[in-house]
Amino acid sequence: NAGVTQTPKFQVLKTGQSMTLQCAQDMNHNSMYWYRQDPGMGLRLIYYSASEGTTDKGEVPNGYNVSRLNKREFSLRLESAAPSQTSVYFCASSEHVRDFEQYFGPGTRLTVT
Amino acid sequence: QKEVEQDPGPLSVPEGAIVSLNCTYSNSAFQYFMWYRQYSRKGPELLMYTYSSGNKEDGRFTAQVDKSSKYISLFIRDSQPSDSATYLCAMFSGGSYIPTFGRGTSLIVHP
Repeated sequence: NAGVTQTPKFQVLKTGQSMTLQCAQDMNHNSMYWYRQDPGMGLRLIYYSASEGTTDKGEVPNGYNVSRLNKREFSLRLESAAPSQTSVYFCASSEHVRDFEQYFGPGTRLTVT
Repeated sequence: QKEVEQDPGPLSVPEGAIVSLNCTYSNSAFQYFMWYRQYSRKGPELLMYTYSSGNKEDGRFTAQVDKSSKYISLFIRDSQPSDSATYLCAMFSGGSYIPTFGRGTSLIVHP
């Protein structure tokens, strides 16, 4: 079992470019999450999907869109990247949205210049 | 003021020491409290979670919640160099699916 996988591991974008971060889990979990982690700010939830077919905003959703493609995959899209979106992005999954045991992927390091 | 405060450290201790890691919070609605460990350039992994006040022990780790003081702690006994990591506290209120994380404390256990 690979757990939670994320692609790419690293990315450099110019301001205004778009990109999609991919996430997949093989644990048959119902719920998936996208977080960003910035120095001095801790982890902040961007969007989550409680179950296939649903998505909801987290604490910092502005500038992002998400798609729950199927039960396994949850993607995060930046339509027009800004330097403020430079961060490390983590995808996570859990069996249900009320489960505190969230399993995290290895992260994507994104730099927007 | 952030809802959850956590000293970023670093906290440097010798191998075998008892480590105390702490978070304070301001939102009295928080009911569920978690501790995550994050190694450098890796994703966080859940260590322990507790509901409301009290203690919970798992091996060398003890989580403690004092809701009256809005203060949570993680104790690590007989610390090892492999415990060197960043420790993040996180908490939920009963009516929300959105956790609030502390910014993490960097722990260094030297041989």
